[in-house]
This record gives sequence, C-alpha cells and structure tokens, in this order.
Amino acid sequence: NAGVTQTPKFRILKIGQSMTLQCTQDMNHNYMYWYRQDPGMGLKLIYYSVGAGITDKGEVPNGYNVSRSTTEDFPLRLELAAPSQTSVYFCASRINEKLFFGSGTQLSVL
Amino acid sequence: RKEVEQDPGPFNVPEGATVAFNCTYSNSASQSFFWYRQDCRKEPKLLMSVYSSGNEDGRFTAQLNRASQYISLLIRDSKLSDSATYLCVVNVGGGYNKLIFGAGTRLAVHP
Repeated sequence: NAGVTQTPKFRILKIGQSMTLQCTQDMNHNYMYWYRQDPGMGLKLIYYSVGAGITDKGEVPNGYNVSRSTTEDFPLRLELAAPSQTSVYFCASRINEKLFFGSGTQLSVL
Repeated sequence: RKEVEQDPGPFNVPEGATVAFNCTYSNSASQSFFWYRQDCRKEPKLLMSVYSSGNEDGRFTAQLNRASQYISLLIRDSKLSDSATYLCVVNVGGGYNKLIFGAGTRLAVHP
C-alpha cells in the first residue's frame, strides 16, 4: 500500500520558472491538502480539496494553483517561481481525523 | 500572538527520563487537538489525539486544559527513538480543514 506519493523529492528552480508538484494517493480519501513548511515554522495550508472537482484556498494560496480532476491526484502548480516559495512542500490526505502525509518535496528557488 | 505556540526546545534528556511539553492555543473555539511527530526532514505522523478527559497510549500521555487553553504531552521512560520534533496541532474550524500547526518542540534523548 503506497499511501501518499509525492514527486519530485527535490527541485531547484530559477526565478520566474513554472513547475507542478505531483501528489497521488491510493487510499480513496476524499480530502487532500497541500502544506508548506519553512525552517523553524509550523506547516501552513496552501490549498485543500474535499473531493474531485472541488478545491479551496488555505492560509497561503498566493502564487499557487491546484486542480482535482480525480480522487487520486492533487497536483500543485507554481506559475512564476519566487525565492519566497523556497520551502518543503507536503501533500496529505485525510480519513476521519487522521492526516497521511507524503514524504515531501524540497524546493529551492534561486 | 501566534495561534498555536510551542517552546522550540531542544529538550535534551537522558534515556529513561520523563519529559513534558506544553502547547498553548489562542482560539477558545478550537474543537480538537492532536500531537504529531516529525523526524528530521521527514513527513509528520499522527502520534495521538488529545481528548478532553486526557488519554494515554503506552508511555505517552496527552492532556487538555480548556480553561487555560493549553495541551500537554508527557513522555515517560524516554527512549533514544523518541528523539524527534513534536508538533501540536489544533483544529479551529469544522471538518478538519482549519488545522493550525505549531512550529514544534524538539526532543533529543541521549544515552
């Protein structure tokens, strides 16, 4: 059982480049989330989805976009990368009160 | 004031010690509370939920004090493998879509 899978694990972007962080889960969970974690800080919610076709903004959505065309996949898109988006990104799915996290993507924007 | 505050530590304790962490939250309407564990550069994992009457899971005990707006985590008989960062998580809205994470308390258990 793979759980929540994120790709890539590491990425370096130049300012202004775009990329998509992939997230897929095989647990058939309706709820999915994208968080970012800056050094010494708690996780901040970027976007979340309560099911296929439904997404909503979290605390820090600016500079990001998401889509949820299937239950399994919840990609996060950065359109114009900025140094402030250097962070570790975690995708998660939820059943009842428990979050299941992917292993994270470490992104640096230089 | 941050919504969820934790002492960043590190708490350096010897094996076998008892250690306790507190976490304060600012929103009195917060509905549910959790402790997550995060190993270095890894994803967080749910350690335990925190119930109003307090709850225990092996060597771990969690307590909630709504009047003073804090939760606590007590670890007895610390093991080397307990070394990690412990994240306090507070649900401030319905449906678990407004989970606020604390920055974490780092625990280092030494021989």
